[in-house]
Amino acid sequence: AQKVTQAQTEISVVEKEDVTLDCVYETRDTTYYLFWYKQPPSGELVFLIRRNSFDEQNEISGRYSWNFQKSTSSFNFTITASQVVDSAVYFCALKGNTDKLIFGTGTRLQVFP
Amino acid sequence: NAGVTQTPKFQVLKTGQSMTLQCAQDMNHEYMSWYRQDPGMGLRLIHYSVGAGITDQGEVPNGYNVSRSTTEDFPLRLLSAAPSQTSVYFCASSLTGTGFYGYTFGSGTRLTVV
Repeated sequence: AQKVTQAQTEISVVEKEDVTLDCVYETRDTTYYLFWYKQPPSGELVFLIRRNSFDEQNEISGRYSWNFQKSTSSFNFTITASQVVDSAVYFCALKGNTDKLIFGTGTRLQVFP
Repeated sequence: NAGVTQTPKFQVLKTGQSMTLQCAQDMNHEYMSWYRQDPGMGLRLIHYSVGAGITDQGEVPNGYNVSRSTTEDFPLRLLSAAPSQTSVYFCASSLTGTGFYGYTFGSGTRLTVV
C-alpha cells in the first residue's frame, strides 16, 4: 500500500523566517515519483516539483529547496526567507508503479507580515 | 491548448438530486482521475481510468459512478446527492508508462449539497 504522511497540519511563521514542511512516504515499489503541490487561497493546484526514486539529488529553485532521503523515506520542502505570498496549503504526493497519485493531508502555511 | 477543463465551477444541489461533473482533456492522456478535497483530508481518489472503456475504484468510490467512452472525457456522476458529498472535486490526467511526465489538474468544481 502507498501512503503519504504530512504530520504538520498548520505552520505559522513571520515573514523572512525559513520554514520546512515535512513529508514521509511509504511504498514497496522500487520505482516511484514524489511531488509537491501548492494550493493558494484561490484554490487551484500549482505543481512545484517532481522527483523520481532514482534521483536523490537535492533541488533548489530560488527560495525553494527539496531534500529527498530514501533512507528515511522523506521528501521535505524548505522555503527560505518566507513571504506572505507563500501562504497556502502544500501537498506532498506519491505515484508508484500504477498511475494513481496518492496525496498527503496537506500542511497549511501562514506567513504573517 | 486547454489542458483539463472542468465544468461547472460551482454547483448547489438539493439532497437526492442527480448531476454530472464534466472533465475533458485535449492532451491525449490515457489516464484520468477524480479526487475530492475535504478540509483536513487532503485529496482522496474517487475513481480513475487508464483508457477508454476501462475504469476502476479509488479510495472513496461510494455514491459516485464514472464511465470512459472516449479518451477525452471522464464524467463523474452523482446519482442521488447527499450532504456528505459537499466538497471540492478535481479532475487530473496524465500520460502513462514511459510517457509519464506528471499530472495536469483541472481548476476544480465546488459542490454544495443542501
